[in-house]
Amino acid sequence: GNSVTQMEGPVTLSEEAFLTINCTYTATGYPSLFWYVQYPGEGLQLLLKATKADDKGSNKGFEATYRKETTSFHLEKGSVQVSDSAVYFCALAGPSNTGNQFYFGTGTSLTVIP
Amino acid sequence: EAQVTQNPRYLITVTGKKLTVTCSQNMNHEYMSWYRQDPGLGLRQIYYSMNVEVTDKGDVPEGYKVSRKEKRNFPLILESPSPNQTSLYFCASSLLRGRNSPLHFGNGTRLTVT
Repeated sequence: GNSVTQMEGPVTLSEEAFLTINCTYTATGYPSLFWYVQYPGEGLQLLLKATKADDKGSNKGFEATYRKETTSFHLEKGSVQVSDSAVYFCALAGPSNTGNQFYFGTGTSLTVIP
Repeated sequence: EAQVTQNPRYLITVTGKKLTVTCSQNMNHEYMSWYRQDPGLGLRQIYYSMNVEVTDKGDVPEGYKVSRKEKRNFPLILESPSPNQTSLYFCASSLLRGRNSPLHFGNGTRLTVT
C-alpha cells in the first residue's frame, strides 16, 4: 500500500541555518509527491510538488527532489527565516481505479528563532 | 479568488447534539475530502467524494456522515458527537484527473465536544 514517513519533530533552528526535513515513501506505481506547509491557525497550503523521478520542486527558497532509487523527497532550504516557522507535511498522490488518493505524513513542526 | 470555505471556524458542543460543518469550493473540483488532524497522528481521512452523489469512506469514518448533492458543497455531519471527536477538521478539494492536481484546503474547523 501507499504510505509516507517523515522525520519527527519538533525541529528548532536559528535564523539563516540550513534546513532538511526527511521524507520517504512507499507506493505502488508512480505517485506524485508534495510538500504542504501549515502556518499557525491556518489550513495546509501547497509548498511544492514533483510529478516524476528526478523532478525538483521549488518555491520560496525550499527545494525537494523526487528520488525514485531511494524513495525519498527530502525538503531543504539553505537559509531559514523566522517566518518559515510552521508545520510541514510530506504527501503523495497515488493513482487508483477511481482517481487520485492522497497520503500524508504526520507532519514536522519547525521553529526558527532569531 | 479560488478557495475552499469551511464554517464555522470554532465550535463547542455537547455530547449527542447533532452538528454540521459546511464546506464549499468555487473551483469546480470533482474531488472533495474531509480530514481530521490530531497531535501525533497527522491528517487522517474521514470521507471523500469523487463527484456528485459519489461518496466513500476514508480511514476513520465511524461517527461521521457526508453528502454531496451539489458539486461545490460537501458538508460533514456528526449525528451524535462524542468527546473523542474533539479535533481540528479540514475540508479539501482537487481536480480528479491527473496526478499533478494538488489538494486545496480550507482553514479548518476546531471542534470541541464536552
